[in-house]
Amino acid sequence: NAGVMQNPRHLVRRRGQEARLRCSPMKGHSHVYWYRQLPEEGLKFMVYLQKENIIDESGMPKERFSAEFPKEGPSILRIQQVVRGDSAAYFCASKAGGNTEAFFGQGTRLTVV
Amino acid sequence: QQQVKQSPQSLIVQKGGIPIINCAYENTAFDYFPWYQQFPGKGPALLIAIRPDVSEKKEGRFTISFNKSAKQFSLHIMDSQPGDSATYFCAATLSSNDYKLSFGAGTTVTVRA
Repeated sequence: NAGVMQNPRHLVRRRGQEARLRCSPMKGHSHVYWYRQLPEEGLKFMVYLQKENIIDESGMPKERFSAEFPKEGPSILRIQQVVRGDSAAYFCASKAGGNTEAFFGQGTRLTVV
Repeated sequence: QQQVKQSPQSLIVQKGGIPIINCAYENTAFDYFPWYQQFPGKGPALLIAIRPDVSEKKEGRFTISFNKSAKQFSLHIMDSQPGDSATYFCAATLSSNDYKLSFGAGTTVTVRA
């Protein structure tokens, strides 16, 4: 039973390019959360999705960021027109429904040059 | 604003010592307080968690102490081992929306052999 899989592990983008981060939840998990970790800081909640629905995006910047979790395939966090301040580690976590533990992936480290 | 404040930023102990990490929170509505352990290049993993109706919880060599009136909680690692060297994050949330964790900034613990 593979854990939460994120890819790529490392991503380098030039300013103005788009970044696509993928998260495949654990088998049987239909809830996905994205967090961002800036250097020397804790993780900050971005968005919570269930299959085909965004439940809570209160932590997501209003511009350039979007997330989806389609019926088939991984959850995607998309950052358009990246800027240097987007450089961070992006973690996703997944869980089954109800009062169950969420498991984190290994993260994608985005560097904007 | 940072809802959970964590200290110290880093600490070094000898094998067998007891590193202590402290956290303080602002939101009195928080009712679930987990601790996460993160090794370099990995995602955070749930270590131990406590609810405010309990003043202390032990799991193996890890102990959480909770002071509801002071809005503070701490993690003690008993008989610490080099394999405990990692970054530890405290967090807090409402159990009703437990995905929306508010993380502390993290403490890097180094246990010297």
